Parts: sequence; C-alpha cells; structure tokens
Amino acid sequence: EAGVVQSPRYKIIEKKQPVAFWCNPISGHNTLYWYLQNLGQGPELLIRYENEEAVDDSQLPKDRFSAERLKGVDSTLKIQPAELGDSAVYLCASAKSGTDYNEQFFGPGTRLTVL
Amino acid sequence: AQSVTQPDIHITVSEGASLELRCNYSYGATPYLFWYVQSPGQGLQLLLKYFSGDTLVQGIKGFEAEFKRSQSSFNLRKPSVHWSDAAEYFCAVGEGYGGSQGNLIFGKGTKLSVKP
Repeated sequence: EAGVVQSPRYKIIEKKQPVAFWCNPISGHNTLYWYLQNLGQGPELLIRYENEEAVDDSQLPKDRFSAERLKGVDSTLKIQPAELGDSAVYLCASAKSGTDYNEQFFGPGTRLTVL
Repeated sequence: AQSVTQPDIHITVSEGASLELRCNYSYGATPYLFWYVQSPGQGLQLLLKYFSGDTLVQGIKGFEAEFKRSQSSFNLRKPSVHWSDAAEYFCAVGEGYGGSQGNLIFGKGTKLSVKP
C-alpha cells in the first residue's frame, strides 16, 4: 500500500512569491490534514478535511494561506505571498474515518525555505 | 484547552541502555494518546496508541508506554536502545468529538541521541 505522497520535497523561494504544495493521501482515506512544523516544534494543525469539506480551518492564516481538496482526494496548500516566517516543514496526513480513532498516516513533508 | 508537555528537549543514551521519554498531558476527559517517531527528513510514524483498557500498551520496534491517569502521564519506554532509534519522538493527545475523527495536539518533541 502506497503511503501519503507529497511534492515537492524541498522548495526555496524569495519572499513575496507564491508557493504551492501537493498531497496525495492513502487510497480510501477520506480525512486529510495539513500541518505546519517549525524547527524544534511539534506539528500544528492548519486545516482538516472530511472528504472535500474543510471541517476545521480555524488555525489557517486565511490572509495568505489557502487550501483545496477537489473531489475529496488530492489536496493543495498555497501561500501567497510567502513571508520569511513561513519557512518550515509542511506535513500532510490522512486517516480513514470509522476505523481506529485518529490514527493518522503522515507524508514526508515539504521543507519550505523563504529567502 | 488540551496540551501536551514533553519536558526533555534532548536525551542521550548509550546503545543497549534503557530509555524513558516523558509525556504529560492536559485533557478534561479520557484522552486518546499517541507516540510518534520522526527520523530526519521523514514523516511521522506511529509507534503506539492508547484508547482504553490495559494501561500498558505495546508498540512497534520494541517500545511500550504506560498510561497513568493519576499523573496525567504517558511515558514511552524501551528496555534496550539500538543506534537506529536515534530520532525525534512526539507525544500527542487526540481531541474527542464524540468518537469521530478529531485533531491531534502534539508536544514539542524529544530528540534522542544514541552513543555507541
């Protein structure tokens, strides 16, 4: 079974530029999460999807961040414009609702560097 | 609000020695508790989880954890550490929504170094 796929793995951009991250969850997983992980910190939830609906986006900075999950499968997280403080690892995770509670499977992450 | 505290930022142990990583949580109801491991450049991998029942849970790679409600703790242990265990370890508590999928609140992590 393939795991959660994320791309790109690394991204370096200049501040004020836009950037997008892509996530393909495990097949059959209807719950999808985007997390932000700063250096030396644990992951912090940005947004959670149940199928194509964003059910929790309270921690997503909506002035510059946006996300979508068309057709309830793949998801894209976008930052526009990027700021220096956005340098971090962006993790995607997926889970299958109805099975073990909150057992989330994580992708390898996208490491973003904003110069 | 729910929170997780991992008091040790960095721990170094000798290969073959025993290991205990501490985790304390703050949660009003019965918590759903998890330990994840993250190797450099990798995503998080679930080591073990506690939902209910036996307070001593076994996980992968020889790890175990004990839930102690009176101490609000869920410490991770391993009797003999291998060099490949060097990684960062995260404790997390799951928010409850009447049994439906909720969100995970993570601690800041403990980095484990293993001396040969």
